[in-house]
Amino acid sequence: NAGVTQTPKFRVLKTGQSMTLLCAQDMNHEYMYWYRQDPGMGLRLIHYSVGEGTTAKGEVPDGYNVSRLKKQNFLLGLESAAPSQTSVYFCASRWTGTDTQYFGPGTRLTVL
Amino acid sequence: EDQVTQSPEALRLQEGESSSLNCSYTVSGLRGLFWYRQDPGKGPEFLFTLYSAGEEKEKERLKATLTKKESFLHITAPKPEDSATYLCAVEASNTGKLIFGQGTTLQVKP
Repeated sequence: NAGVTQTPKFRVLKTGQSMTLLCAQDMNHEYMYWYRQDPGMGLRLIHYSVGEGTTAKGEVPDGYNVSRLKKQNFLLGLESAAPSQTSVYFCASRWTGTDTQYFGPGTRLTVL
Repeated sequence: EDQVTQSPEALRLQEGESSSLNCSYTVSGLRGLFWYRQDPGKGPEFLFTLYSAGEEKEKERLKATLTKKESFLHITAPKPEDSATYLCAVEASNTGKLIFGQGTTLQVKP
């Protein structure tokens, strides 16, 4: 049981480049979440999904898109990266019957 | 607006020196309050969920308590391996979404 995994672990982009972050979970969880963590700001919700084929906006969705084509995967896309998107990105998932979210190890993204 | 504030931002303790971390919250209908531990360079690790005022939960040297306005994470006789950032989060009723505080970074010196 790998839990929640994230790919890649580190990435450096130039302004205007695009990329996709992959989150995968092997716990058959319905709910999946994408957060960003910035110094002094805490974790902030970007987008989330309550099941395969569904997505919804969180607190800070601008500049990001997501897709949940398979239950076990949740993708976060940056179409045109900006320096303000430099952050550590965490994915989390949870089962419908519980409140506990389980987090992945994070992706550290730097946009130059 | 739902909000979570943690204090202090940073805390330094000597090994064996007990203390408490505070999490104050305002939320429209509390479904649950969560405590996580986060080590440098890693994702948050779940510690506790509290659902109603008066509830308490313990795990080794950690004890979490909940009132209608705040939660405390009590650390008894801490060890250097307890050094980490402790995050508090709340979920408002029927939202399925967590709102996090900024965290308290704890350093325990031997």
